[in-house]
Amino acid sequence: DAGVIQSPRHEVTEMGQEVTLRCKPISGHDYLFWYRQTMMRGLELLIYFNNNVPIDDSGMPEDRFSAKMPNASFSTLKIQPSEPRDSAVYFCASSQDRDYNEQFFGPGTRLTVL
Amino acid sequence: AQSVTQLGSHVSVSEGALVLLRCNYSSSVPPYLFWYVQYPNQGLQLLLKYTTGATLVKGINGFEAEFKKSETSFHLTKPSAHMSDAAEYFCAVSDGPMSGNTPLVFGKGTRLSVIA
Repeated sequence: DAGVIQSPRHEVTEMGQEVTLRCKPISGHDYLFWYRQTMMRGLELLIYFNNNVPIDDSGMPEDRFSAKMPNASFSTLKIQPSEPRDSAVYFCASSQDRDYNEQFFGPGTRLTVL
Repeated sequence: AQSVTQLGSHVSVSEGALVLLRCNYSSSVPPYLFWYVQYPNQGLQLLLKYTTGATLVKGINGFEAEFKKSETSFHLTKPSAHMSDAAEYFCAVSDGPMSGNTPLVFGKGTRLSVIA
């Protein structure tokens, strides 16, 4: 398996623009997680899905952030409108239902909002 | 709720020296404990984990960690550091099967530097 795939790897945008980050989990994994990593706050869980259904979105910082998982092989994290403080590395991770807690991480998307 | 404290945001060791990265956790139930490693510009990857059974857990690349319930600790060690061990290390905890599907809680990470 190719592992968790994220795109784009780097994104530079201007304040106010919409940003969409994409993730393809490992085939057969029933859980998908979105994290944000910054120097100041470390690694934060934003939202996670089980069988395409959002389970806990309490980590989503505000209404500008939204996430969807239309099918088992694709998820998006959208920021609209983006702000400079959203600059961070965003990771997607997936895990199997049977061994839920062992998460496999993608390479991340480095987002810079100017 | 669970929490994780990693003592020392940056640890520097000489090549060949002992590596010791400290992790203390807080959990109301028997925890699952994990160490992840993050190399530059990459995602996190699992180094080792403790769920049940033997409290000394061996992982990849010669690392091991010992679960000490009385000390609520899960420190990561390696007898001899190699230059390739330079990375960021994250300790994580979950409540395991006792409270259903609880997400991992990560510590803030410890950056390991290895000096030649």
